[in-house]
Amino acid sequence: KAGVTQTPRYLIKTRGQQVTLSCSPISGHRSVSWYQQTPGQGLQFLFEYFSETQRNKGNFPGRFSGRQFSNSRSEMNVSTLELGDSALYLCASSWGQEGETQYFGPGTRLLVL
Amino acid sequence: KNQVEQSPQSLIILEGKNCTLQCNYTVSPFSNLRWYKQDTGRGPVSLTIMTFSENTKSNRRYTATLDADTKQSSLHITASQLSDSASYICVVSRTGNQFYFGTGTSLTVIP
Repeated sequence: KAGVTQTPRYLIKTRGQQVTLSCSPISGHRSVSWYQQTPGQGLQFLFEYFSETQRNKGNFPGRFSGRQFSNSRSEMNVSTLELGDSALYLCASSWGQEGETQYFGPGTRLLVL
Repeated sequence: KNQVEQSPQSLIILEGKNCTLQCNYTVSPFSNLRWYKQDTGRGPVSLTIMTFSENTKSNRRYTATLDADTKQSSLHITASQLSDSASYICVVSRTGNQFYFGTGTSLTVIP
């Protein structure tokens, strides 16, 4: 069974640009969550999508947005990039029930110059 | 305020030795507590998930404990191996699938 895949794996952008990251969950999983990981803040929850609807949201500005397609694949978009957005962006998938294991992808490392 | 604190921040141990990592939380209402292992450059991998009624859970050489009264958890690693070198992250979930993450303990196992 294929794991969670994320594309691209590495990305370099400049301030003010926008970026779109993609996540393909494990087959059958309907929940996709996105996280930002930085050395100073650790892992922080961005949002969760379940059956194409945003179900939970963390405390990030509106520049961070996402969506989920009918095949459960998800995209995350960051507009007007700032230097502080440089981070590892991880997505995790699950069937969507509370208390179950989340399976993480390898992440997309974003560098904003 | 919902918080998760882990200690120590980093730890170096000799191969074959045991170690214990700590996690204290103030998240409420509590749903479950998870421990993840994250190797450098990779996504986290789940080790254990514990609900309110579970005191101990084991996964091979990893044993997690939970004291819901004192809001403390520990992860005990037995007979450490070089491959245990990683960051260990404690995650506490509120009802409704809201997650709160600790900043992790960086474990280095040396031969």
